[in-house]
Amino acid sequence: EADIYQTPRYLVIGTGKKITLECSQTMGHDKMYWYQQDPGMELHLIHYSYGVNSTEKGDLSSESTVSRIRTEHFPLTLESARPSHTSQYLCASSEESRGNIQYFGAGTRLSVL
Amino acid sequence: AQSVTQPDIHITVSEGASLELRCNYSYGATPYLFWYVQSPGQGLQLLLKYFSGDTLVQGIKGFEAEFKRSQSSFNLRKPSVHWSDAAEYFCAVGAYTGNQFYFGTGTSLTVIP
Repeated sequence: EADIYQTPRYLVIGTGKKITLECSQTMGHDKMYWYQQDPGMELHLIHYSYGVNSTEKGDLSSESTVSRIRTEHFPLTLESARPSHTSQYLCASSEESRGNIQYFGAGTRLSVL
Repeated sequence: AQSVTQPDIHITVSEGASLELRCNYSYGATPYLFWYVQSPGQGLQLLLKYFSGDTLVQGIKGFEAEFKRSQSSFNLRKPSVHWSDAAEYFCAVGAYTGNQFYFGTGTSLTVIP
């Protein structure tokens, strides 16, 4: 069973606010990912990290930013939230030596009013 | 181009009936294939994976999947569905190394008494 945690689970905020979505894993995985998920759509990769101080943008353009200062922590930040950012955000982690199987957190459902 | 197609957006089955969810993929390299399940408000849980070897793989919760290279398919099956199997099911393809999974759009399963 995977140990990857996301907080908050639900967030409702007003336009223009700065928010940070937290993601932590206790498995020591080297890789971490952020996906955006909308109803009826596939998961879209927005950020990933191969390790500490390594971050890359994914396929889906996003106005969010990420950091990876510690192996276990991969927060996602929106400097100025907009209604178009309303979505579910899923964090995942994997270990290349174990076949890169991705393990997911429970997600953060964000609503921007 | 890499892609995953799940042709059935929504499936309804009776409890105790058999289930098959379809997945077709397009992938340029040796595919590593996965099925995930997502309950409402939750993240994705790995059901099973195929890396190599026996093309019929067993997973958790009584699920199995069969890899058919000639058909580029990786269909998920269960002989007898339980009400608790109602959820969203995602097929994914990736590489043993690298960073990216490609997800299908999901199949929503409803189980009726």
